[in-house]
Amino acid sequence: EVQLVESGGGLVQPGGSLRLSCAASGFISSDYYIDWVRQAPGTGLEGIARSRNKINSYTTEYAASVKGRFTILRDESKNSLYLQMNSLRTEDTAVYYCVRVSMAGNWFDPWGQGTQVTVSS
Amino acid sequence: DIQMTQSPSSVSASVGDRVTISCRASQGVSSWLAWYQQKPGKAPKLLIYAASNLQSGVPSRFAGSGSGTDFTLTISSLQPEDFATYFCQQANSFPWTFGQGTKVDIK
Repeated sequence: EVQLVESGGGLVQPGGSLRLSCAASGFISSDYYIDWVRQAPGTGLEGIARSRNKINSYTTEYAASVKGRFTILRDESKNSLYLQMNSLRTEDTAVYYCVRVSMAGNWFDPWGQGTQVTVSS
Repeated sequence: DIQMTQSPSSVSASVGDRVTISCRASQGVSSWLAWYQQKPGKAPKLLIYAASNLQSGVPSRFAGSGSGTDFTLTISSLQPEDFATYFCQQANSFPWTFGQGTKVDIK
C-alpha cells in the first residue's frame, strides 16, 4: 500500500524550531516529487513547499510565506523526507501534510494523515 | 498567486440529490485543476484530476468539467458517504492554491 506518515508536530513558542518527518512506504520516494501542504482554520489549504525527485536533483521550491524559514530535506536510506521549520510564527499554526505529487500533473495522492503544529507562547 | 473561489460555501442536500459545486480561478489554469473530498479529522482525498478525469476507485457519480477559469464538480446522486467538504486546487503554477471549501451536509 502506498502510504505517507507524518510525525514531529507539537507545541512550540514563536521564534522556535520544529522538524517534521514524512515516512514513505509502498513506493520509492526518490522517484517522486513530494510536497508539503498545510491547513489552518482561517486560511484553509496552502501548498508551501516542494521537493523534486532525484532525477531533478531534489531541487526545492517554497511559497513566499515560508521561504527563508522552512527547508525540505531528504534521506533516501530511510525513504523519508523532513520539513525543517525555523523562526516559527503564530500564523504557522496548522495541520501539516506531506503529499505525493502525481507524475501526470501537480495533484496530490496520497496524503499523509497530517501532524498538528501549534505556535503559541 | 492564483486565487480560487468556490461557491456555495455550504449546501444542504438529501440522499439521491444532484449537487453542483463551482470553482473559479483568478486567472486561466487551462485544465490544471483537481478536486478533493475531506471528511472531519481526515486528510483530503483526490477525486478528480485534470479537471474531468476520475481518480481510480472513485465512484462514477462524481464528475468534473470546465477549463480556463470556471470549473464544476457534480455529484449525480448523493450518497450517505458523500457528506463531506470539497476543495478545488489549481495545479497550473506554484504555489498551489485551493478553494476555501464547500461543505455538503444533510438536509
